[in-house]
Amino acid sequence: DAGVTQSPTHLIKTRGQQVTLRCSPISGHKSVSWYQQVLGQGPQFIFQYYEKEERGRGNFPDRFSARQFPNYSSELNVNALLLGDSALYLCASSLERGPEETQYFGPGTRLLVL
Amino acid sequence: QKEVEQNSGPLSVPEGAIASLNCTYSDRGSQSFFWYRQYSGKSPELIMFIYSNGDKEDGRFTAQLNKASQYVSLLIRDSQPSDSATYLCAFYNTNAGKSTFGDGTTLTVKP
Repeated sequence: DAGVTQSPTHLIKTRGQQVTLRCSPISGHKSVSWYQQVLGQGPQFIFQYYEKEERGRGNFPDRFSARQFPNYSSELNVNALLLGDSALYLCASSLERGPEETQYFGPGTRLLVL
Repeated sequence: QKEVEQNSGPLSVPEGAIASLNCTYSDRGSQSFFWYRQYSGKSPELIMFIYSNGDKEDGRFTAQLNKASQYVSLLIRDSQPSDSATYLCAFYNTNAGKSTFGDGTTLTVKP
């Protein structure tokens, strides 16, 4: 079975632009979470979606938004990009949501904002 | 105070030794705890999860959880050079619907 897939793998944008990142969860997984990982730090939680609804939100500005589609894939949108948005964006999927669920991470999208 | 604190690295151990990684957390609503391994340039991969107080063993890895002390640790026995990576501690809070990660401890196992 395919793991979590993300696209694109790398992206270069300029300040003020908008970006959309995509994630396809493992087949059968209903929950998708997004994380931002800056070099030298651990992943920071952005959103969790389960059954197409937002179930959790981290401390990120409203420039960050996401959605989950009926097939459980997900998109993360970032508007008005800042230099500080440069990071590795990770998507993780799990079968359900809850404390006993194991998250499986995709390879990430590396975003560089110039 | 950070929500998750990991022992500062880098940590270096000789091959065959025991590596000890520690993590403390501040959120008493945390319900489950995870250890991930992340190789440079790669995404995190799950090593172990633990929900109940006490020890949990899986091969060369042992996780220990003490909810009263808000402390979780990971022991790696018979360390191998392939264990060299950054180890991330994380906890999940169902009510908040989010996972919180520490900044990681970098482990180097020297042949």
